[in-house]
Amino acid sequence: DTEVTQTPKHLVMGMTNKKSLKCEQHMGHRAMYWYKQKAKKPPELMFVYSYEKLSINESVPSRFSPECPNSSLLNLHLHALQPEDSALYLCASSQGTGVETQYFGPGTRLLVL
Amino acid sequence: AQSVAQPEDQVNVAEGNPLTVKCTYSVSGNPYLFWYVQYPNRGLQFLLKYITGDNLVKGSYGFEAEFNKSQTSFHLKKPSALVSDSALYFCAVRDGDNFNKFYFGSGTKLNVKP
Repeated sequence: DTEVTQTPKHLVMGMTNKKSLKCEQHMGHRAMYWYKQKAKKPPELMFVYSYEKLSINESVPSRFSPECPNSSLLNLHLHALQPEDSALYLCASSQGTGVETQYFGPGTRLLVL
Repeated sequence: AQSVAQPEDQVNVAEGNPLTVKCTYSVSGNPYLFWYVQYPNRGLQFLLKYITGDNLVKGSYGFEAEFNKSQTSFHLKKPSALVSDSALYFCAVRDGDNFNKFYFGSGTKLNVKP
């Protein structure tokens, strides 16, 4: 089973709202990732958690706040977003921090009004 | 610095014909290369990877890729294209210094016509 699940599938929020994206995997993977993808563009890495600790933050604005409550779960908290933050947000996981494959979830389509 | 290039924004091929989607890479150490496919409004699906060993790598859905060290290429191929193969294809390379980082190519839209 190589499934990564993400909820919600779609999210519409105003610029003053607070919302959260959720990602879950039950493959025993110890590395989890958040990516942002604009239409017809490659995914851009935002954050990496390795063994539940934040290991990479690609200079992401503080209005995006990641959280890894346990090894299976990854959240992305959103607050005071801008319309240009509208995108597909992808979660991925991999077994560890070696050369393993990253497996992606289906994504959350976010629209900021 | 690590990078991959996909020189073609779009590839058009007739159903039943062979297809090739090109990827070249630039890495400072050993190359760890991946191909992913993305259907509209979906996440990325893993197709295949090259870590070491045979230069011809076989993957999902009949796809294969040929690793060529001298040409620094990792082209994706399929002997007979299907209309259902129409999608966006991404080549990626893992950072040899920081394995948590993937560098994706710009993507190639594959159109398979009936």
